[in-house]
Amino acid sequence: KAGVTQTPRYLIKTRGQQVTLSCSPISGHRSVSWYQQTPGQGLQFLFEYFSETQRNKGNFPGRFSGRQFSNSRSEMNVSTLELGDSALYLCASSLGRGGNNEQFFGPGTRLTVL
Amino acid sequence: AQSVTQLGSHVSVSEGALVLLRCNYSSSVPPYLFWYVQYPNQGLQLLLKYTTGATLVKGINGFEAEFKKSETSFHLTKPSAHMSDAAEYFCAADSGSARQLTFGSGTQLTVLP
Repeated sequence: KAGVTQTPRYLIKTRGQQVTLSCSPISGHRSVSWYQQTPGQGLQFLFEYFSETQRNKGNFPGRFSGRQFSNSRSEMNVSTLELGDSALYLCASSLGRGGNNEQFFGPGTRLTVL
Repeated sequence: AQSVTQLGSHVSVSEGALVLLRCNYSSSVPPYLFWYVQYPNQGLQLLLKYTTGATLVKGINGFEAEFKKSETSFHLTKPSAHMSDAAEYFCAADSGSARQLTFGSGTQLTVLP
């Protein structure tokens, strides 16, 4: 079974631009979560989608948004990029929403904002 | 709010020595607990998880962890370190109600020859 895939793997943008990252979950998984990883703040939860609906959101500004499609694939968008948005963005999928459903992580998208 | 604390941002052990990585959680309700490993330029790989039942959990690559409710701890151990264990390790908790993982700050494990 294929794992979680994320595209692109690397991205370079300039301040003020916007960016869209894509995540394809493991087949059959319906929950997709996004995390931001930076050296200073560590791993922080962005949001979770299940059945095309955002179910939970972390403490991030409205510039960070996402969506989920009917095939469970998910995208996240960051508008008006800031230098501090440079990070590794990780997507994780799980079968369901219960806490005992382990989350499987993709390799991440490394975003660099210049 | 739930929090996860990992004591020691860097741990060094000799090859063949015991690995002990510490994790404490803060929650009034025992959460679901996980240990993940991250190799450079890769995502997170699940080592083991505690949900309910047996408090000693065995994972992959010879790792295990013991859930101790009285100490709110979930320390990760491996009897004998291998060079390939060098990586960053993250402890995480999921309360089950919010469906989000709260991560510790990570512990970088170095294995010395």
